[in-house]
Amino acid sequence: NAGVTQTPKFQVLKTGQSMTLQCAQDMNHNSMYWYRQDPGMGLRLIYYSASEGTTDKGEVPNGYNVSRLNKREFSLRLESAAPSQTSVYFCASRKGGVRNTEAFFGQGTRLTVV
Amino acid sequence: GEDVEQSLFLSVREGDSSVINCTYTDSSSTYLYWYKQEPGAGLQLLTYIFSNMDMKQDQRLTVLLNKKDKHLSLRIADTQTGDSAIYFCAESGEDTDKLIFGTGTRLQVFP
Repeated sequence: NAGVTQTPKFQVLKTGQSMTLQCAQDMNHNSMYWYRQDPGMGLRLIYYSASEGTTDKGEVPNGYNVSRLNKREFSLRLESAAPSQTSVYFCASRKGGVRNTEAFFGQGTRLTVV
Repeated sequence: GEDVEQSLFLSVREGDSSVINCTYTDSSSTYLYWYKQEPGAGLQLLTYIFSNMDMKQDQRLTVLLNKKDKHLSLRIADTQTGDSAIYFCAESGEDTDKLIFGTGTRLQVFP
């Protein structure tokens, strides 16, 4: 089982460049999430999607857009990257509906904006 | 809004117990979780507790919940070097799929 797959694993961008982080899950989960992880800040929710066709802002949505392309895929786009967006990004999914279900995480994307 | 706080570091001797603490602000939190992150990896669920419980035990792990004080703790008995990792608490409410994580506690186990 692949679980949650994120691409790319590493990326270096110049300030002002754009890019899309891809995430796909093969567990037929309804809910998908994007987080960023920064030292001392923990894991902060950027956006989430409770089901195909819906997206909601999390704690730190500014500077990001998302697309829930279908049930499997949830992408995160940086339109104009800034050094403050240097971080490790994690995608996660869970079954949803029943609230106590486990979230499964991808391996992360380490993004550096110079 | 929701806020989940943890102390950043904990250092314990191998064989001792570790206690990792977490406080949260959202009184509507219904489910509280503990996740573990090993170096270079994503997070994995360790255990969870419903807000109508005050304790849950799972092998070496004991979770205590004080709902009045909005305080959650994770006790690891007989801590081993393999327990060295970052531990996150997380919360979600009954009426939302939003899942909020804390700042994480880095546990270091020394011989």
